[in-house]
Amino acid sequence: QKEVEQDPGPLSVPEGAIVSLNCTYSNSAFQYFMWYRQYSRKGPELLMYTYSSGNKEDGRFTAQVDKSSKYISLFIRDSQPSDSATYLCAMTYYSSASKIIFGSGTRLSIRP
Amino acid sequence: DADVTQTPRNRITKTGKRIMLECSQTKGHDRMYWYRQDPGLGLRLIYYSFDVKDINKGEISDGYSVSRQAQAKFSLSLESAIPNQTALYFCATSEGAETDTQYFGPGTRLTVL
Repeated sequence: QKEVEQDPGPLSVPEGAIVSLNCTYSNSAFQYFMWYRQYSRKGPELLMYTYSSGNKEDGRFTAQVDKSSKYISLFIRDSQPSDSATYLCAMTYYSSASKIIFGSGTRLSIRP
Repeated sequence: DADVTQTPRNRITKTGKRIMLECSQTKGHDRMYWYRQDPGLGLRLIYYSFDVKDINKGEISDGYSVSRQAQAKFSLSLESAIPNQTALYFCATSEGAETDTQYFGPGTRLTVL
């Protein structure tokens, strides 16, 4: 079983819709949860991160962490065609030797 | 200029050839990583280095080797390329803070025939 599971999609929604992207994980030691966005033919870039459980909002994006369920989500409000990309969840626990574990990514397409 | 650069951006080679992918960074980070990305498998860690004298294997290091020539340079070599090493390869850096945010290069698309 993978440490981090993510539905690969593809997910296609109309412009203006609310998008929900999700990941589940198995390692309860994870403390930091991130979402990376990857445009076609580009490297991933950090979109948001949260520490422990709770919500974090940044503009049209909201990241949500439920540690009791080992479940994280990214919500995109008023989705735009420019949001079309692959979204990768990632997580880690802080230590001198820790590494980030990435989900496999969900491909999202926003239809104009 | 980009903070993390990779060369070449695209490479087609034949089975058995030796290939080197290079990564340079201007972010001043000590930590550098090599990942490969395959459809449906996401990013998988090949090797990582937390400083110039520190090299560690990732989850899929077989068939690969690395060299950390300086803080800013980290190279990945395929000693004898095989077709299942066809993938998108990314270099990344991080500063080792709590979130360890990774900054990725633009990637190298490698095809082994």
